[in-house]
Amino acid sequence: ELKVEQNPLFLSMQEGKNYTIYCNYSTTSDRLYWYRQDPGKSLESLFVLLSNGAVKQEGRLMASLDTKARLSTLHITAAVHDLSATYFCAVTESGGSNYKLTFGKGTLLTVNP
Amino acid sequence: NAGVMQNPRHLVRRRGQEARLRCSPMKGHSHVYWYRQLPEEGLKFMVYLQKENIIDESGMPKERFSAEFPKEGPSILRIQQVVRGDSAAYFCASSREALNTEAFFGQGTRLTVV
Repeated sequence: ELKVEQNPLFLSMQEGKNYTIYCNYSTTSDRLYWYRQDPGKSLESLFVLLSNGAVKQEGRLMASLDTKARLSTLHITAAVHDLSATYFCAVTESGGSNYKLTFGKGTLLTVNP
Repeated sequence: NAGVMQNPRHLVRRRGQEARLRCSPMKGHSHVYWYRQLPEEGLKFMVYLQKENIIDESGMPKERFSAEFPKEGPSILRIQQVVRGDSAAYFCASSREALNTEAFFGQGTRLTVV
């Protein structure tokens, strides 16, 4: 059974600081997603990572994937208040069931002025 | 091109009543997935449907829950005789293909059982 662990689950940081959220998964996967969720809203897809060594950046967020270590990171650079949200990583199974996403529990990020 | 549409956005039911949640996929998408999000948890897969077929219901509770995606009309997630533990956000996603493709999520239905 595919398991996904995120840490930390809660992250309070000051504006302007850097931090990293980690996502570990237990078995081989075809793709890894990072999502953002604001309270009471749906999931906004941030990044899709497909291959070992993949790195994607959008604004102050950068995601990377190490398939050998089964680890992805979401790095936040010079945080601003607008980044406050819950961030989820989600992983698909390999092969014929890769329509199915397994989510981590999420990281609640609060950026304080 | 409208996104995935779910309704209602909020639903309150008394214990023992039935809840019906609707999902209209994006235009051109014939694959629909339902996920449940319990408070302070990640989303958990429930069921995957194509038109008129249930492909994978491995995440559905064995009793009281059913899903359909008829030839015409939206996909429906039905919960009979709701209990407090059914209170959650239910998200629908759709995709154009099943494999190797991204699914897009709707805004969810927040079910509260009182």
